[in-house]
Amino acid sequence: VVMTQSPLSLPVTLGQPASISCRSSQSLVHTDGDTYLNWFHQRPGQSPRRLIYKVSNRDSGVPDRFSGSGSGTDFTLRISRVEAEDVGVYYCMQGTHWPPGFGPGTKVEIK
Amino acid sequence: EVQLVESGGGLVKPGWSLRLSCTASGFTTSGLTFGDYAMSWYRQAPGKGLEWVGFVRSKAYGGTTEYAASVKGRFTISRDDSKSIAYLQMNSLETEDTAVYYCTRATFDRWGQGTLVTVSS
Repeated sequence: VVMTQSPLSLPVTLGQPASISCRSSQSLVHTDGDTYLNWFHQRPGQSPRRLIYKVSNRDSGVPDRFSGSGSGTDFTLRISRVEAEDVGVYYCMQGTHWPPGFGPGTKVEIK
Repeated sequence: EVQLVESGGGLVKPGWSLRLSCTASGFTTSGLTFGDYAMSWYRQAPGKGLEWVGFVRSKAYGGTTEYAASVKGRFTISRDDSKSIAYLQMNSLETEDTAVYYCTRATFDRWGQGTLVTVSS
């Protein structure tokens, strides 16, 4: 399964919304009915942190300005109001098909 | 709190071997133990994205392993559930193996801080 993201680079203005698209080459609906699409954030020099699991579920401690949506092969991560701490690279990752794989990443930076 | 700590990275020459460890703690707070989880290794070359390296299933699923084509036959993943440690044995290292290596549990909700492996002559 090939994961693609757009854009690959996203300059954003503090306080403004931002949106990242992720597409998979195959449907991510598992035979068990769930869709295993995760979103991660990685700051420079740090390990990835999972933000969203199964398309739209926020992990504990993740601000509610982050939201995930989508189905099948098309997914979106939205940040309602970008804050300075949101800079870094965002990855989508599928866990439905073997092996689990990441998209190429979207680098978010402040304008 | 669940923690994963990788160790064992370093600078080695092409053809050398290295063993990485991923030591887990705090798993029992969720009611499950380290042994209940499959464990994966990922790597990230400098300035690049995240690449799956391999995976060891829990003993309940046979404790079997799977590997990326790029490392199959050279890398071996194992686990010691009594010590809550997953290992990544890397043999015949190549310059292309230079990366930060991360371990994560099957749910991908916890990652270690990574350990840097540099392969250079």
